[in-house]
Amino acid sequence: GAVVSQHPSRVICKSGTSVKIECRSLDFQATTMFWYRQFPKQSLMLMATSNEGSKATYEQGVEKDKFLINHASLTLSTLTVTSAHPEDSSFYICSALRGPGTEAFFGQGTRLTVV
Amino acid sequence: AQKITQTQPGMFVQEKEAVTLDCTYDTSDPSYGLFWYKQPSSGEMIFLIYQGSYDQQNATEGRYSLNFQKARKSANLVISASQLGDSAMYFCAMRANNNDMRFGAGTRLTVKP
Repeated sequence: GAVVSQHPSRVICKSGTSVKIECRSLDFQATTMFWYRQFPKQSLMLMATSNEGSKATYEQGVEKDKFLINHASLTLSTLTVTSAHPEDSSFYICSALRGPGTEAFFGQGTRLTVV
Repeated sequence: AQKITQTQPGMFVQEKEAVTLDCTYDTSDPSYGLFWYKQPSSGEMIFLIYQGSYDQQNATEGRYSLNFQKARKSANLVISASQLGDSAMYFCAMRANNNDMRFGAGTRLTVKP
């Protein structure tokens, strides 16, 4: 199957700093990428949908200025958590679509801990 | 709006037996896809099976089969001959025309030896 690489897998940062998470589709061009957040023992909550070359579409309740998404190319999307706070600690996972009607391929996820 | 419902927070099954994980959905789009993913404790999302809304036959992939009942808007996952390695969280997901993929709350499956 297709490969999506997410980096870093774990990150610990200090409160007030920013953290960038990368999501790369290694062997296909991703028309659309999704960013999810998952709290312990809960489901994946869609944060935003990002299409290459256009602004991301954020879900209701997700702060655009706090969670900056950049989909600069067909193989790379980044999520930057700005001015991180302890309540931003969570598991963040991306997925990528090769095209409409296809399955979504997931990255390995990033466990963010803000101290 | 799309909605995915998994009503079983946890399920237990004896090794080598079959188990059914429930999933119901709601959408006004005539064209949609239904997915099941497995998430072990490592956090990775493993794709298991896909069913398109216009597919006439139920999808099958090895030990996984999807019991698709369109009129009831249900897409239950059946795992046959359970193995210890099947213990994980299982998520049902749906994608409609807008391409968003949304997930149910998940079911934690525990396979007992």
